[in-house]
Amino acid sequence: ETGVTQSPTHLIKTRGQQVTLRCSSQSGHNTVSWYQQALGQGPQFIFQYYREEENGRGNFPPRFSGLQFPNYSSELNVNALELDDSALDLCASGSPQGADTQYFGPGTRLTVL
Amino acid sequence: RKEVEQDPGPFNVPEGATVAFNCTYSNSASQSFFWYRQDCRKEPKLLMSVYSSGNEDGRFTAQLNRASQYISLLIRDSKLSDSATYLCVVNWAGSARQLTFGSGTQLTVLP
Repeated sequence: ETGVTQSPTHLIKTRGQQVTLRCSSQSGHNTVSWYQQALGQGPQFIFQYYREEENGRGNFPPRFSGLQFPNYSSELNVNALELDDSALDLCASGSPQGADTQYFGPGTRLTVL
Repeated sequence: RKEVEQDPGPFNVPEGATVAFNCTYSNSASQSFFWYRQDCRKEPKLLMSVYSSGNEDGRFTAQLNRASQYISLLIRDSKLSDSATYLCVVNWAGSARQLTFGSGTQLTVLP
């Protein structure tokens, strides 16, 4: 196993609501990235955090925001949920020495009704 | 045009067959290349990195052609347990470890 954990595993929300997803990185990893994977697609990069600062962002609107805490755990917050936000939300952590290798958590399956 | 393109398949092959997946990427500044494996409703898991000289890990061989911006994965002697979606992944230079994924190629190995 990767040592990356996420909660909750499943979540059902309605359009317009807000959601917070959590990720605990593998010990020793100081970067965390979030990805969204729609059904039948590959994961799409949302953003990355390094030392509690956003360090790169993909093509996602500002209603997607995040936090990284001193213990390297992280949150993904999504406001004003839309139906198209239904997806598997994945976090991935990486080590300073690991170059580009990232290790994924099991994901949170978000359903927006 | 997608940044990373893969044949979506599905590929249905008998046990013991050899199967090859191909992938092309559009950004010539790409610097790192990977194949990830994803089982149904699970997270992607790193299968192998891909190096310019080509590399092999057991039954799996990966090749990279930078000039053609082309990556391949060869699986020999397919096992039932190889059934999964295989994701071609690229990291651009200076992109802070932002991985760009293809849509994946679905493989089913049949008994």
